[in-house]
Amino acid sequence: GEDVEQSLFLSVREGDSSVINCTYTDSSSTYLYWYKQEPGAGLQLLTYIFSNMDMKQDQRLTVLLNKKDKHLSLRIADTQTGDSAIYFCAESGLTGGGNKLTFGTGTQLKVEL
Amino acid sequence: NAGVTQTPKFQVLKTGQSMTLQCAQDMNHEYMSWYRQDPGMGLRLIHYSVGAGITDQGEVPNGYNVSRSTTEDFPLRLLSAAPSQTSVYFCASSYSGEVYGYTFGSGTRLTVV
Repeated sequence: GEDVEQSLFLSVREGDSSVINCTYTDSSSTYLYWYKQEPGAGLQLLTYIFSNMDMKQDQRLTVLLNKKDKHLSLRIADTQTGDSAIYFCAESGLTGGGNKLTFGTGTQLKVEL
Repeated sequence: NAGVTQTPKFQVLKTGQSMTLQCAQDMNHEYMSWYRQDPGMGLRLIHYSVGAGITDQGEVPNGYNVSRSTTEDFPLRLLSAAPSQTSVYFCASSYSGEVYGYTFGSGTRLTVV
């Protein structure tokens, strides 16, 4: 079945850029998403990218997609303490249908002063 | 406030007990899903629905039932609780499934003893 992998932890200093990486196996993925989960809360959709795009920028967030390598990344510029959270990569594809997302294990981002 | 409402927020059950986790959304979303979140495993899909009267199984459906009699509500029933069902449960809804991503509720933390 589909598989989405992420590293578990990332620590950065405030003001630096953060890069969170994700790899996926479903070559039919049509949309890929980044969600943010703060402690005790549900998941919040940060951004998404359609599979025919290479890059998407939204304020401090830049999403890069390498479809050949099935690699997705999320860059957060000027990382702030409020960015500390768990970040989930997710994909939807023909095998799952538009109504089923496959999530990665999540990357815990810690922002230090 | 518009969104996805889950009740209860916390629940402790004894092994063998049954209960229903409630989920309601007021955004007229067609798609609704239930996920469980376990440490180091990301979110796994339990059941989903693409509209009133239509439900289907996800990745981990055993031990759970769902029904969708209205667009707004999508309850998740635990038939006979087991310790392996200790988890955080999230309900999510979406207008189109793929393009707009999902809106998540704040979760129900369930402990089965």
